[in-house]
Amino acid sequence: EAGVAQSPRYKIIEKRQSVAFWCNPISGHATLYWYQQILGQGPKLLIQFQNNGVVDDSQLPKDRFSAERLKGVDSTLKIQPAKLEDSAVYLCASSHPRDRENTGELFFGEGSRLTVL
Amino acid sequence: EDQVTQSPEALRLQEGESSSLNCSYTVSGLRGLFWYRQDPGKGPEFLFTLYSAGEEKEKERLKATLTKKESFLHITAPKPEDSATYLCAVNTNAGKSTFGDGTTLTVKP
Repeated sequence: EAGVAQSPRYKIIEKRQSVAFWCNPISGHATLYWYQQILGQGPKLLIQFQNNGVVDDSQLPKDRFSAERLKGVDSTLKIQPAKLEDSAVYLCASSHPRDRENTGELFFGEGSRLTVL
Repeated sequence: EDQVTQSPEALRLQEGESSSLNCSYTVSGLRGLFWYRQDPGKGPEFLFTLYSAGEEKEKERLKATLTKKESFLHITAPKPEDSATYLCAVNTNAGKSTFGDGTTLTVKP
């Protein structure tokens, strides 16, 4: 089974520029998450999708961050304009709902590391 | 607000020296507690899910336990390849997952 795919792996931009990250979840996983992980911290949820609807975006800085999940599969996370404090790894994850065969654990991609100069 | 606190922040062990990592939590309606392992430059990788107090799960040298307020990840006779950051996360009845900041384990040969 193919894992969660993310691109690009690395991106360096100047502050006030824009950047976009792409995620392709595991086939059949209805739930998709974007997390921000700052060095030395645990992942912090930015947005959660169920199919192509938003379940939770309470911690997404909506003045600069946006995300979409077209057709309930791939997702894109955009930052515009970027700030220095946005330097982090952006992790995409997907999951099955918890049922008899699945515990509801998250499957993560390798992340996209953003450096804002 | 859901809170997850992991301790210690960092742990250095000699190969074969057993120890435990702690994850204490405050949530409204625990649906499950998850342990993940994260290697440098990689995404977290699932280890265990625990659902109720008293539950235990084992995998090789790792054993996870759960009480009503905390979880422990016990590492027995660790090897250098066990070096990683171990993350704890709680999932609530609202379907929300909150992560702790992790414990970075270094096992010296």
